[in-house]
Amino acid sequence: GENVEQHPSTLSVQEGDSAVIKCTYSDSASNYFPWYKQELGKRPQLIIDIRSNVGEKKDQRIAVTLNKTAKHFSLHITETQPEDSAVYFCAAGGNAGNMLTFGGGTRLMVKP
Amino acid sequence: NAGVTQTPKFRILKIGQSMTLQCTQDMNHNYMYWYRQDPGMGLKLIYYSVGAGITDKGEVPNGYNVSRSTTEDFPLRLELAAPSQTSVYFCASSAGGAENTEAFFGQGTRLTVV
Repeated sequence: GENVEQHPSTLSVQEGDSAVIKCTYSDSASNYFPWYKQELGKRPQLIIDIRSNVGEKKDQRIAVTLNKTAKHFSLHITETQPEDSAVYFCAAGGNAGNMLTFGGGTRLMVKP
Repeated sequence: NAGVTQTPKFRILKIGQSMTLQCTQDMNHNYMYWYRQDPGMGLKLIYYSVGAGITDKGEVPNGYNVSRSTTEDFPLRLELAAPSQTSVYFCASSAGGAENTEAFFGQGTRLTVV
C-alpha cells in the first residue's frame, strides 16, 4: 500500500518568515495530493490540493509543488502569521478505493 | 448542508464495554472513512467504504467493525473496549470517483477507555 513520510515533525519560524513542509510517497499510482490544516482541538480542513497533471499550485500565501518523478511534494507558506500555527498533514490518494494515506503531521509554530 | 456529523463528541468507556460511534453525511458522498488520531500523532485509517453495502479494512482495523447500510450513515462499532483504543476518532467523506476529491471531516469523537 501507499506510504507517506512527512518532514519535519515540528517547525518553529518567526512571524513573516517562510515555512516549508515536505512529503514523500511510495505509490506511483497516486495522483491526488491534498494538504490539511488542523487547529488545536478541531477537525482537519483542506487548505490546498494538487493533482498529478500539474507541478505547482498557488493560493495567496500558500503554494504546493509536486515532483512526480521523485515522488515528493511540498507545502510552502510565505509571510507566516501567528494564525498559521497548527498541525499540517499531507496526504496522497489515487490507489484502490480512492483512500487517502496521511503523513505523520508537522506542528508549525509561528512566533510573533 | 450540515456536512459530516459525528456523535457523541466525548465518551468515557470502561474496559470491556462496547459502543457505537455514529457518523452521517448529507452531501451524497459515496466514500466514507473512519480514522483514529492518537495524541500528537497522525491519522490512521481504520475502515472505509466506497458505497452502501461495501466496506473494507484500512491500516488499523483490529477491535472495530463497521457497516454501511445507507449512503448517509457509516457507524463504527467498538467491541470489548481496551485502553489502546483511547483516541480521537474522525469520520470523513468524499465524492470519490475517477478523480480524487476533498475529504470532509466530522468534528471528532474523543474516546477514553479506563
